[in-house]
Amino acid sequence: GENVEQHPSTLSVQEGDSAVIKCTYSDSASNYFPWYKQELGKRPQLIIDIRSNVGEKKDQRIAVTLNKTAKHFSLHITETQPEDSAVYFCAASEGAQKLVFGQGTRLTINP
Amino acid sequence: DAGVTQSPTHLIKTRGQQVTLRCSPKSGHDTVSWYQQALGQGPQFIFQYYEEEERQRGNFPDRFSGHQFPNYSSELNVNALLLGDSALYLCASSTEGWGYEQYFGPGTRLTVT
Repeated sequence: GENVEQHPSTLSVQEGDSAVIKCTYSDSASNYFPWYKQELGKRPQLIIDIRSNVGEKKDQRIAVTLNKTAKHFSLHITETQPEDSAVYFCAASEGAQKLVFGQGTRLTINP
Repeated sequence: DAGVTQSPTHLIKTRGQQVTLRCSPKSGHDTVSWYQQALGQGPQFIFQYYEEEERQRGNFPDRFSGHQFPNYSSELNVNALLLGDSALYLCASSTEGWGYEQYFGPGTRLTVT
């Protein structure tokens, strides 16, 4: 079955700097890769996603890149702000089927 | 437009008891997936319901069962509770007609003592 590895487990950056979180997946059948942000005590919130027919997608300060050959995808956050502090999860699925999540990255933005 | 809702918010049960958690999907969604999130970990897939049938199941024992109703709402039942079942139980809704996005509810925090 699918296995998703996420790195780093913790990340601390200065406000205004960029943050990058990387994930690898094992199942070549996976074609959908969402990223979720989870603040303490709250639900995972979908922030951006990408499908396997696209190499990069941007939404304001957030971007995701996908390398199907290497089976890895990354989340890029630019101009980080204190409200970006949270736990971020990557996930992979084959279409609308089960999401397999990474272990999470705790991102801390230092003012 | 109401998002995904879950009830109850918190629940405390004793080992060996049974529990039922409830989920109402986002308006327009017809598919419900359940996930278990242990403290400090990513959500783990339990099962997915579509057209009132279990369409896919994760690596969870038969003590975990579910149901989907004609209005697309869903229940998760856990029998013979173990201490290790203590977790946040998340429901996510989606619909293939709109893409693959799954939107999560606020979760039910289950504590087994």
